[in-house]
Amino acid sequence: DAGITQSPRHKVTETGTPVTLRCHQTENHRYMYWYRQDPGHGLRLIHYSYGVKDTDKGEVSDGYSVSRSKTEDFLLTLESATSSQTSVYFCAISPQGLDTEAFFGQGTRLTVV
Amino acid sequence: GDSVTQMEGPVTLSEEAFLTINCTYTATGYPSLFWYVQYPGEGLQLLLKATKADDKGSNKGFEATYRKETTSFHLEKGSVQVSDSAVYFCALTTHQGAQKLVFGQGTRLTINP
Repeated sequence: DAGITQSPRHKVTETGTPVTLRCHQTENHRYMYWYRQDPGHGLRLIHYSYGVKDTDKGEVSDGYSVSRSKTEDFLLTLESATSSQTSVYFCAISPQGLDTEAFFGQGTRLTVV
Repeated sequence: GDSVTQMEGPVTLSEEAFLTINCTYTATGYPSLFWYVQYPGEGLQLLLKATKADDKGSNKGFEATYRKETTSFHLEKGSVQVSDSAVYFCALTTHQGAQKLVFGQGTRLTINP
């Protein structure tokens, strides 16, 4: 158990509503990441953080924003949810960057109707 | 850009069969290579890794060798078990700029008793 908690684990929301997913870690790791998992695409990086208030975009960042005000929490916000954002979202943490090992949460299944 | 290509799934084998899951990559420079495994309902876990050419990663009877000349990192196991049923992801980390894990699309493996 790498001490990662994602919440909620499941959510159904309507198109156009804002949604925030939370990733909480107890390991005090520096690096945190948000990925989405879709059939045929593997996992794709949305945003990542390399410290408090230090974040950057991944390859599929459009329509998403993030915030990290504390080491232990990394929030992913869908400003106005669309059906194309229906996916499984994974948070990952890493102590020294991804060249060592990344630890993944159990995922959040989001359905936008 | 950097990319990972895995063999198409799903793959179905009988218990004690030999397993190979092919993985090839495209990357600038010399990436680190990984295999992650996802059991049903869980997040991803690191299975093995290799950080330079000709390195062999191994864990739980699985092996993969970093082949720079063929840009490959094929996963093998000599005798699979029912408990090996999962989705397997090949991935690489770039070392240019911020480190990011780039995943293949995943290969679903089912082992029948």
